[in-house]
Amino acid sequence: QVQLVESGGGVVQPGGSLRLSCAASGFKFKNYGIHWVRQAPGKGLEWVAAVTHDAKNQYYAGFEKGRFTISKDNSRNMVFLQMNALTIGDTATYYCAKWTWDAMDVWGRGTTVTVSS
Amino acid sequence: QSALTQPPSVSGSPGQSVTISCTGTGSDIGTYDRVSWYQQSPGTAPKLIISEVYNRPSGVPDRFSGSKSGSTASLTISGLQAEDEADYYCCSYTTSTTWVFGGGTKVTVL
Repeated sequence: QVQLVESGGGVVQPGGSLRLSCAASGFKFKNYGIHWVRQAPGKGLEWVAAVTHDAKNQYYAGFEKGRFTISKDNSRNMVFLQMNALTIGDTATYYCAKWTWDAMDVWGRGTTVTVSS
Repeated sequence: QSALTQPPSVSGSPGQSVTISCTGTGSDIGTYDRVSWYQQSPGTAPKLIISEVYNRPSGVPDRFSGSKSGSTASLTISGLQAEDEADYYCCSYTTSTTWVFGGGTKVTVL
């Protein structure tokens, strides 16, 4: 079945870095883009970034101010989110989601990032 | 890009209909028919229930319907059921080649 599995979350100090991974299966990965969406504890959903099916174009929300980089490896069915200079405000559950037209039709279960000293 | 505006909460009795509004601007909902809606139950990932304003993915009950007028989109749940109690989020594509979510609406079944 179509599945996305996030990993790489954890506890990191302010100013630190993390690399999140999203492993895809069950569909033609090279034909679809992927989004990252985050949700701070007790808060709503916030779109973070997206990468096109061919990995050639990346889009960002703007709040990350160049700190985040999304990438896609079609040979490994993986998407990554490199996050640098993390702040307490980046504490959230991070979800990857399959991009179908302009909706996100399949979501992973998420990986939790906690930024704390 | 500011978040789309949703009411924090709506409620209804079983069998009733409830409507959730999602107000954007001419830079998002007002320009594109690229509005989607997501249902999220506590402790779970969001689930797509409406795409492109009014399209229901396979498996989504037809009591969920979407519409749009100007810069405001709406989700209507007809024949409210206990299992519909959840948080609901709208989302739109924008002219900045980004996506923006609403703040979320908690639906309570009385």
